Formats: sequence, C-alpha cells, structure tokens
Amino acid sequence: DTAVSQTPKYLVTQMGNDKSIKCEQNLGHDTMYWYKQDSKKFLKIMFSYNNKELIINETVPNRFSPKSPDKAHLNLHINSLELGDSAVYFCASSQDFGGGSTDTQYFGPGTRLTVL
Amino acid sequence: AQSVAQPEDQVNVAEGNPLTVKCTYSVSGNPYLFWYVQYPNRGLQFLLKYITGDNLVKGSYGFEAEFNKSQTSFHLKKPSALVSDSALYFCALNQAGTALIFGKGTTLSVSS
Repeated sequence: DTAVSQTPKYLVTQMGNDKSIKCEQNLGHDTMYWYKQDSKKFLKIMFSYNNKELIINETVPNRFSPKSPDKAHLNLHINSLELGDSAVYFCASSQDFGGGSTDTQYFGPGTRLTVL
Repeated sequence: AQSVAQPEDQVNVAEGNPLTVKCTYSVSGNPYLFWYVQYPNRGLQFLLKYITGDNLVKGSYGFEAEFNKSQTSFHLKKPSALVSDSALYFCALNQAGTALIFGKGTTLSVSS
C-alpha cells in the first residue's frame, strides 16, 4: 500500500493554464505539506496543514492555493501557470506538526510539472 | 537563523569502501536532524534521524550518522558502500516555526 500518493505523476501544460495536483496519505497523520524542488534539486517548504488548518504559508505567489478537504488529503491548485513554476512538487505527511517536531515526514513520489 | 549546509556537491567512492556525506547545521535550541535519500525520478526516502540521546544513530540500508554538537555536524556514514547506494542525499533540520529545512543535497556516486 502506498503511504503518500500523488496524482498526476507528470503534468505538462501551457503557460496561463490552471492545474491541480492531488495528494492523499493513508498513514493516519494529522499534518501534510507541499514542498517544491527546483531544477537544481533544492527543496523548499510551500505550505503545511494540520488537521485541515493552514499552519505554514511560505512566501509563495497567491496563484498557488492549497486545499485540504480532510486530514488525509491536501491538494494544490495553481492558477495562471508561469514558466518558472516548472518543478517537482512533493507532498509529505507527519503525525504531528513539523515545526519543532521530532516526527518523521514521509514523502510522496512527486509530481513533475512542466510549463511550456 | 537556522540553516543546513552540505559542503560537497558530489562524493565519489569505490564499492566496498566506507563513505561519508557531510552535513553541518546552525540552529538556536535543540536540533532535530534528518537524512533522506532520493533515487532518480523518485520521492524522498527517510534514512534516519537524531532527536536526542546517543550521538550515533543507526538507520535504514546500513547507514548511520554521527551527531557532533561541538562541531555542529551530522555526517552520514556507511562502512561499505554499494553501487545501489548511488543517489542524492539530503540532510534536513526541523526547527520550531517551520517545516524541514533542507541542505542543497549531495550526489553520491559509487563505482564498481
């Protein structure tokens, strides 16, 4: 059974389009995250939700909007896609809130977004 | 401000030799440190973490890491490298008020 899953795995789209990436975890965790990995493989936190409540909202353009319908799901919607949005987006989850927590974060397989 | 540094972009070792991937950190307060591995076109896999206690932490796939508070380091080690260990390794810090802060990653290449 996949612990943290993401769909789609690959996403190729045109500039200006709106797209969504879905994430689901079956670990029973309370906290979920979105990370962005750029072309240089650098990883950075974008958002974190704890029990459907937004906890972390880093300096991310407001074209990015996370939504958590329940604590097992965290989706990422991106409006008006730009070339610079091309990256790999990782979803992760942990039992407790990550800030200062000792809990391990478990990552999904990633979604490679390519904006043409 | 808290930060993690991985001073080497790439580490090359021969199969069967010991390997070390370096990580240093900067934090006020207690550091919670993690190592993750990323294989090509895959997600990040957790290897091990240091929370408190014994400075030598054992993890998955025969990896271990040594926490050194005085040198603010958390180096990843393995006594005998395998070709299959070739991957991208990330050191990460978990501090209050944020999620994981990652180093830039170190590519490990193990030659046969």
